[in-house]
Amino acid sequence: EAQVTQNPRYLITVTGKKLTVTCSQNMNHEYMSWYRQDPGLGLRQIYYSMNVEVTDKGDVPEGYKVSRKEKRNFPLILESPSPNQTSLYFCASSLRRAATDTQYFGPGTRLTVL
Amino acid sequence: GEDVEQSLFLSVREGDSSVINCTYTDSSSTYLYWYKQEPGAGLQLLTYIFSNMDMKQDQRLTVLLNKKDKHLSLRIADTQTGDSAIYFCAETNNQGGKLIFGQGTELSVKP
Repeated sequence: EAQVTQNPRYLITVTGKKLTVTCSQNMNHEYMSWYRQDPGLGLRQIYYSMNVEVTDKGDVPEGYKVSRKEKRNFPLILESPSPNQTSLYFCASSLRRAATDTQYFGPGTRLTVL
Repeated sequence: GEDVEQSLFLSVREGDSSVINCTYTDSSSTYLYWYKQEPGAGLQLLTYIFSNMDMKQDQRLTVLLNKKDKHLSLRIADTQTGDSAIYFCAETNNQGGKLIFGQGTELSVKP
């Protein structure tokens, strides 16, 4: 089944404790991105990747890092999480970076930083 | 800058039509999308419309685009309780990739 998976689905952590949220897709997609969803703000893009070893900042990159060592995986790293990073995170992928290519979203990771 | 606005809540009775509205500011918007988010789930693409179209119909869904007013709407005919969800309007430009989302409209369908 074609899908985007994320782990963990739920995470409660404390300020400053490094964490990684994994994202994996099995559709051989080149384009992957991370969004955060906050009440009243919709989804905002954090980082994106055009292909392996090619990443760039989205609209809200502060406090986050990403890597793209393999085509299928695009982990989101929070080196020193803070309470304002409490949010619902979604990974998305599409065949290419093209408006005509459908973006597939993962099920989301709910992160709480105390 | 780019901005997409939606009303936050809509409540309808089962069997009625629902109309969810969206406005956007970016003149270079090329594709406009409607996504559905059910509780605890990711976003599912419902439909999209290219900016040179003014209407698209897909079964119970009708999308209307008024490019002059930068207004997009999603009409769901014969709304069912299974349609209860949050609906997001989103847009992108010619490059694709980054989606600019509205705040989401929570649709509640009452039996």
